[in-house]
Amino acid sequence: DQQVKQNSPSLSVQEGRISILNCDYTNSMFDYFLWYKKYPAEGPTFLISISSIKDKNEDGRFTVFLNKSAKHLSLHIVPSQPGDSAVYFCAASETGTASKLTFGTGTRLQVTL
Amino acid sequence: DAGVTQSPTHLIKTRGQHVTLRCSPISGHKSVSWYQQVLGQGPQFIFQYYEKEERGRGNFPDRFSARQFPNYSSELNVNALLLGDSALYLCASSWGDWTSETQYFGPGTRLLVL
Repeated sequence: DQQVKQNSPSLSVQEGRISILNCDYTNSMFDYFLWYKKYPAEGPTFLISISSIKDKNEDGRFTVFLNKSAKHLSLHIVPSQPGDSAVYFCAASETGTASKLTFGTGTRLQVTL
Repeated sequence: DAGVTQSPTHLIKTRGQHVTLRCSPISGHKSVSWYQQVLGQGPQFIFQYYEKEERGRGNFPDRFSARQFPNYSSELNVNALLLGDSALYLCASSWGDWTSETQYFGPGTRLLVL
């Protein structure tokens, strides 16, 4: 039972353009969402998070949008840079189990020159 | 500051053997969680320890166990290894154990079971 889904296994975007990575969830108890980036041979690196009381959070080039009614969140990267090429994981947790993250299967982003 | 460290980085074992993986959290962090990442999948939660007590357990068999020491480092033990235990084992630490706490991951231990 996949509670967090990333339906696009891969995405290719030109440098300077916007990258949009999507994530859907089924568990309505999730109230905290995170995005992690992962390079090969490294652990996931925290990028940005959002609480369910918000619908948008920005940090530099990264913005996360949350649509609770649709159980959908997205990560926007503007402008995309070659160094952004990595696997991006969406993760979620619910109150009381903050350290138990449920991850999606990841989206491999390739930013081309 | 040192991040989360894990040892060993790579490990090869045979079926039926036992393995111990180690994790040192970021200084000041009291919570450690363990995840298993199988190729092509996202990390899957195994255990969480906070202040040396088990706070959460994922859907893994009893062959998997863990503990946390007074210095907040942690060990993950897996008994009677199966081929399907081959994976990247990730450790994550955070300061506390409440919603909005960000977990920081180590580089992982890659386990291959032959």
